[in-house]
Amino acid sequence: SQKIEQNSEALNIQEGKTATLTCNYTNYSPAYLQWYRQDPGRGPVFLLLIRENEKEKRKERLKVTFDTTLKQSLFHITASQPADSATYLCALDGNDYKLSFGAGTTVTVRA
Amino acid sequence: DGGITQSPKYLFRKEGQNVTLSCEQNLNHDAMYWYRQDPGQGLRLIYYSQIVNDFQKGDIAEGYSVSREKKESFPLTVTSAQKNPTAFYLCASRPRRDRVNGYTFGSGTRLTVV
Repeated sequence: SQKIEQNSEALNIQEGKTATLTCNYTNYSPAYLQWYRQDPGRGPVFLLLIRENEKEKRKERLKVTFDTTLKQSLFHITASQPADSATYLCALDGNDYKLSFGAGTTVTVRA
Repeated sequence: DGGITQSPKYLFRKEGQNVTLSCEQNLNHDAMYWYRQDPGQGLRLIYYSQIVNDFQKGDIAEGYSVSREKKESFPLTVTSAQKNPTAFYLCASRPRRDRVNGYTFGSGTRLTVV
């Protein structure tokens, strides 16, 4: 069956450090992979999209990598700030224009 | 400002009742989606619609119904057949066949059975 797995444990890091989140998937052949941020009680907000033929994408302090051989994406938040504290969701876009989501990883950045 | 409006923010349902969650968007998006979110689980797709007057079942459609009579609106009805409806419901949209941009989500409706 299809499965999307993100870091099961919450991530607690010191301000200024880099947070690295993992998204692994099985039985998918995604054309695109997306990352979202979700704050408590709110809807997810789109952050970044990476295509299957791209290895890396950057946006300000965010970096995403996509390895279709390993079936894995890594999401990095560099120079982290307390305002980066949130849950981050990985989502796969297959050939049917529907997104499938992982359960998310909660990040807490300590000042 | 363009966006998606979900209402109400909180909804309480008695056993055996049908309730309808509203989702309205002014983004001129063709595709709209309903997801359910439970603690510790990913978003699960209930129904989606790529164009007006057409919609498809997602992974967990049992106990739910939708309509898409207008481009702007995609209401979700939680019927009495849905045995465990307590959850956070999210509506999303995007331009049809747009795979460059992500989904735009509403702020969600939290449904509780009392």
